[in-house]
Amino acid sequence: QKEVEQDPGPLSVPEGAIVSLNCTYSNSAFQYFMWYRQYSRKGPELLMYTYSSGNKEDGRFTAQVDKSSKYISLFIRDSQPSDSATYLCAMSGTSGTYKYIFGTGTRLKVLA
Amino acid sequence: KAGVTQTPRYLIKTRGQQVTLSCSPISGHRSVSWYQQTPGQGLQFLFEYFSETQRNKGNFPGRFSGRQFSNSRSEMNVSTLELGDSALYLCASSSVLPGGSEAFFGQGTRLTVV
Repeated sequence: QKEVEQDPGPLSVPEGAIVSLNCTYSNSAFQYFMWYRQYSRKGPELLMYTYSSGNKEDGRFTAQVDKSSKYISLFIRDSQPSDSATYLCAMSGTSGTYKYIFGTGTRLKVLA
Repeated sequence: KAGVTQTPRYLIKTRGQQVTLSCSPISGHRSVSWYQQTPGQGLQFLFEYFSETQRNKGNFPGRFSGRQFSNSRSEMNVSTLELGDSALYLCASSSVLPGGSEAFFGQGTRLTVV
């Protein structure tokens, strides 16, 4: 079993929909949780960075972390065709280390 | 502010050769980490450097090595290339603030081994 599980998709939604992307994990030591967006043939772009449990909002994006369930989510409101990309969750357990464990990524397609 | 710069962007090498990839972090960032991305395995951690010292290493064979210079620029080297080394190699930099901070990725070097 992988340390981080992420549904690979693809996930297709109409423009304007609310998108929910999720990851589950098994290592209770994880404390830092990230969401990256990756367009084809580009490097991952950091969207959200959260520490421990709780919610964080940035524009149309909301990240949720539930450490008791070992479950993290990324919500995208009013989705746009430009949001079409692969979304990667990443986690680490120790402050100041960048040995991230990544999910396999979910491919999202927002249809105009 | 310039982002993370990786060179070259594309490389084609033959099995058995060696290759060196370069990464220039964001100005002021002292931590550099390297990842391999393949369709089958996703992003996998290779190693991490901070102030010229390797702090963490992933589960890759000894053919994969790296180093960091005093100006924080980093290189990774792969010797005796195998077909399975074909991948996107990504470098990430961070300022390493107390309490943790974000890692920012470059565009990657796409290596093809033939």
